[in-house]
Amino acid sequence: RKEVEQDPGPFNVPEGATVAFNCTYSNSASQSFFWYRQDCRKEPKLLMSVYSSGNEDGRFTAQLNRASQYISLLIRDSKLSDSATYLCVVKGGGFKTIFGAGTRLFVKA
Amino acid sequence: NAGVTQTPKFQVLKTGQSMTLQCAQDMNHNSMYWYRQDPGMGLRLIYYSASEGTTDKGEVPNGYNVSRLNKREFSLRLESAAPSQTSVYFCASSELANTEAFFGQGTRLTVV
Repeated sequence: RKEVEQDPGPFNVPEGATVAFNCTYSNSASQSFFWYRQDCRKEPKLLMSVYSSGNEDGRFTAQLNRASQYISLLIRDSKLSDSATYLCVVKGGGFKTIFGAGTRLFVKA
Repeated sequence: NAGVTQTPKFQVLKTGQSMTLQCAQDMNHNSMYWYRQDPGMGLRLIYYSASEGTTDKGEVPNGYNVSRLNKREFSLRLESAAPSQTSVYFCASSELANTEAFFGQGTRLTVV
């Protein structure tokens, strides 16, 4: 079993749709969680950190479920510019950082 | 805002050649990292430097060496390139171990 698993997609959604991504992790001692966005042939960029209480940034909502060991990302009112690959990132103790392989999203007009 | 700067952006090497990838950050971060990204796989950590003067192996260190030249700079060296090292390489930095990392623009390396 991979340490961090994501549905690779692709998710094809129309503009304005709501889309949700899940990510599961295997190490119960994991401490920090993030969602990154990566555009084609570009570097990953931080989208948002994920806090235990859940957090929201505009159209984006991230949640953490420690009991079930998964994090989620919800995108509301999808825009064409949201088309990208979304990476789930889990940090354990020290410098152990595990990246998911990413979920591809295509938003179409 | 420069952030993390990597050079070169593209490189083609012949098998057995050597090269050094350069990385510099201007955010006064303590920790720096080198990752490789291959199709269908998540980023994998090659080496990291927790702080100036220290370096440690990551998940896939074989065939690579690193130098933390100072707090700003962290270089990755391929001593004898192999086709299996064809990949996209990203340098990153973070303030602390558990804080978010910021990435450079990447180096696309092809070994023929």
